Amino acid sequence: SAVISQKPSRDICQRGTSLTIQCQVDSQVTMMFWYRQQPGQSLTLIATANQGSEATYESGFVIDKFPISRPNLTFSTLTVSNMSPEDSSIYLCSGTGANTYEQYFGPGTRLTVT
Amino acid sequence: KNQVEQSPQSLIILEGKNCTLQCNYTVSPFSNLRWYKQDTGRGPVSLTIMTFSENTKSNGRYTATLDADTKQSSLHITASQLSDSASYICVVSGGGADGLTFGKGTHLIIQP
Repeated sequence: SAVISQKPSRDICQRGTSLTIQCQVDSQVTMMFWYRQQPGQSLTLIATANQGSEATYESGFVIDKFPISRPNLTFSTLTVSNMSPEDSSIYLCSGTGANTYEQYFGPGTRLTVT
Repeated sequence: KNQVEQSPQSLIILEGKNCTLQCNYTVSPFSNLRWYKQDTGRGPVSLTIMTFSENTKSNGRYTATLDADTKQSSLHITASQLSDSASYICVVSGGGADGLTFGKGTHLIIQP
């Protein structure tokens, strides 16, 4: 199994600013993903983080708002840019093992935008 | 549109009692169905994964069932413990980790 850590665990930010969330996996994972979980809602996939290339974004999410990096197999970052209160949410990093059935999640980053 | 519906939305039971959570889905194609447990302030942790050919799978006090014909699944928790208090999320995969459809979860509270 893989253990995924995220930093920061939570933050309160002012609107118009940006926050970068870091995701570290303790072992190599095949794929890495970023999800958003709004209160009382299910997880929504933001993008697939691709190693050494641009992330693949889902409908409704764009690179200018959520730039993502994945410089190697065990690390990724998600930036939430030009934040507004609507961006207040939990952001989760996820990775899959060699078998894509094995999907692991980080503890999440709770973001509040004021 | 692929959807996963869970019921009930929330549930309160006494410690030691059993409970069953429901999941109905309209996801096509279907690859597998997963149940996750998400403790407050934590990421989801996998409990069970079932493919089309599996009807039931257990993980300790957790037993999941799958009826692929009616597109229904259930998660049965036996002899509940306080540590079972969490959200339980049903996730259906159409194939590939990027093809997951998440339910909104059932928020379970175990009272002493």
